[in-house]
Amino acid sequence: AQSVTQPDIHITVSEGASLELRCNYSYGATPYLFWYVQSPGQGLQLLLKYFSGDTLVQGIKGFEAEFKRSQSSFNLRKPSVHWSDAAEYFCAATTSGTYKYIFGTGTRLKVLA
Amino acid sequence: DGGITQSPKYLFRKEGQNVTLSCEQNLNHDAMYWYRQDPGQGLRLIYYSQIVNDFQKGDIAEGYSVSREKKESFPLTVTSAQKNPTAFYLCASSGQGVSQPQHFGDGTRLSIL
Repeated sequence: AQSVTQPDIHITVSEGASLELRCNYSYGATPYLFWYVQSPGQGLQLLLKYFSGDTLVQGIKGFEAEFKRSQSSFNLRKPSVHWSDAAEYFCAATTSGTYKYIFGTGTRLKVLA
Repeated sequence: DGGITQSPKYLFRKEGQNVTLSCEQNLNHDAMYWYRQDPGQGLRLIYYSQIVNDFQKGDIAEGYSVSREKKESFPLTVTSAQKNPTAFYLCASSGQGVSQPQHFGDGTRLSIL
């Protein structure tokens, strides 16, 4: 079955430290991949997306993600975290031939001052 | 600015009552979606619609109903058959083509009185 897994439920980092959020997918073919961010009580905002081509994708707010086919991973990274990055992050995937998207269960990021 | 509007922001349901959540978009998107979000469970798909007058059940459609009479509107009714309706409900839309990212509204929080 198709799935998206975010192994870390909670992550805490200090402001200014680097960040990596993990995402693994299980699909028959390479899916289209997305990272979203959600602030409390709000909807989801798209950070970046991967369709094909360059495996390092740049997004908004200084985020980037690297697609690794051999590891079925699409990890989100940021070199230096700001207090305003505290939020919940969701990885999502979809494939050709369907309008359905599968979301991971999310990773809640806490930033220490 | 284009976007998705969900209303109301907060909604309370009495036992045995049906309630309807509104979702309107002015992005000219063909596809629209309803998700339910519970803590630690990510987003679960309730219903989705690819075109006007057509919609499909998602993974947790029982106790919910939708209509798609206009391209801009995709209301969700939470019926009395849904025994555990307390959740955060998110509406989303996407443009034509499966690789298009989803755009989200700010959600409706539904609680039982």
